[in-house]
Amino acid sequence: DSGVTQTPKHLITATGQRVTLRCSPRSGDLSVYWYQQSLDQGLQFLIQYYNGEERAKGNILERFSAQQFPDLHSELNLSSLELGDSALYFCASSDKLTGGGGEAFFGQGTRLTVV
Amino acid sequence: GQNIDQPTEMTATEGAIVQINCTYQTSGFNGLFWYQQHAGEAPTFLSYNVLDGLEEKGRFSSFLSRSKGYSYLLLKELQMKDSASYLCAGAGSYQLTFGKGTKLSVIP
Repeated sequence: DSGVTQTPKHLITATGQRVTLRCSPRSGDLSVYWYQQSLDQGLQFLIQYYNGEERAKGNILERFSAQQFPDLHSELNLSSLELGDSALYFCASSDKLTGGGGEAFFGQGTRLTVV
Repeated sequence: GQNIDQPTEMTATEGAIVQINCTYQTSGFNGLFWYQQHAGEAPTFLSYNVLDGLEEKGRFSSFLSRSKGYSYLLLKELQMKDSASYLCAGAGSYQLTFGKGTKLSVIP
């Protein structure tokens, strides 16, 4: 158990809908990262928050948004869903601001299926 | 930005040694990570190199050459449970950038 909790584990929804994925980082970790992993694809970095502030953005679509709350949990909002958004969405947390210097601990992921 | 390259697939025999290579191009380099990921599961941390040289941890070792933008993960005494994807990740200023992973199949 990495200490990072993601909910829900599975989500099935229709095209055009909006969903919210939730992540609770390890106790004490201030950095939260969101990744998307499509079938046979690598982990695509979406966005990073550190102590409530957005710190880095990757290949995140405009239909997607995220935030980190004062209690440090984070939510990833996906709207106007398309079939191609079906993927595993991972959250990771770290006690470091920068990408290096400390390992990132991953949650078990949310498997999103858009039908 | 960062660019990470690693082979797509490898096959090795149980009990053997396998080396998985990774080349990277990055700005703001803050180290190189290796993660293991079984299908449908979360990646788990294996190793971290920030200085040149070899880091050994049990059956797994990782090497880094910053001047060459090159790293490898060495797995010894392969076991069937080592069948998984191995992800090379470069640490930048604010993020980890992952390669697409090398799918390792261990055969009897």
